[in-house]
Amino acid sequence: ETGVTQTPRHLVMGMTNKKSLKCEQHLGHNAMYWYKQSAKKPLELMFVYNFKEQTENNSVPSRFSPECPNSSHLFLHLHTLQPEDSALYLCASSQLDRPYEQYFGPGTRLTVT
Amino acid sequence: AQSVTQLDSQVPVFEEAPVELRCNYSSSVSVYLFWYVQYPNQGLQLLLKYLSGSTLVESINGFEAEFNKSQTSFHLRKPSVHISDTAEYFCAVSEGIQGAQKLVFGQGTRLTINP
Repeated sequence: ETGVTQTPRHLVMGMTNKKSLKCEQHLGHNAMYWYKQSAKKPLELMFVYNFKEQTENNSVPSRFSPECPNSSHLFLHLHTLQPEDSALYLCASSQLDRPYEQYFGPGTRLTVT
Repeated sequence: AQSVTQLDSQVPVFEEAPVELRCNYSSSVSVYLFWYVQYPNQGLQLLLKYLSGSTLVESINGFEAEFNKSQTSFHLRKPSVHISDTAEYFCAVSEGIQGAQKLVFGQGTRLTINP
């Protein structure tokens, strides 16, 4: 595997379910990001992790819970989501000294029913 | 607060025609500017960046963008497009290197190339 991978690529869940999104980067980067991409809206930064430490939480509701066990893996735990949370969730990574050069995964298309 | 406006949500052009994708930003401090491209079913990729120096920056596949401070613009251009350029293009801004982890993106412009 190369680059940034995300699983699953598609997910349908009910509002009472609990699920997790996984991201893995094979680039040796030390910063990882979660973004939300909704239709007709700009890409929204959700969380930033530097060396496994969360450095940014962009006012994200607590029904989204990130986890970064090491610099290569990032999870987004989901519970009691709302239909408006349906979107493409993108993971990205970068080197800390080149934070603007972010490498993105293909995303997980989430549908909340 | 920073913001980015991409004036065109969709731009259809014929193959080998020139194209310009418009991007305007607002910020009270000096900025770094970026264009990212998202090909179908893929994640975003950095296309080109302006950090400092020459206001005209180029990518390896023939795109260029010019930073115009007076007009607060960073339009993306290509003199002759190819079918393979079909993608969504996102302009982004950050407030200097310290703020570069918090990229602010525009809404995107979908470029469609017709044969």
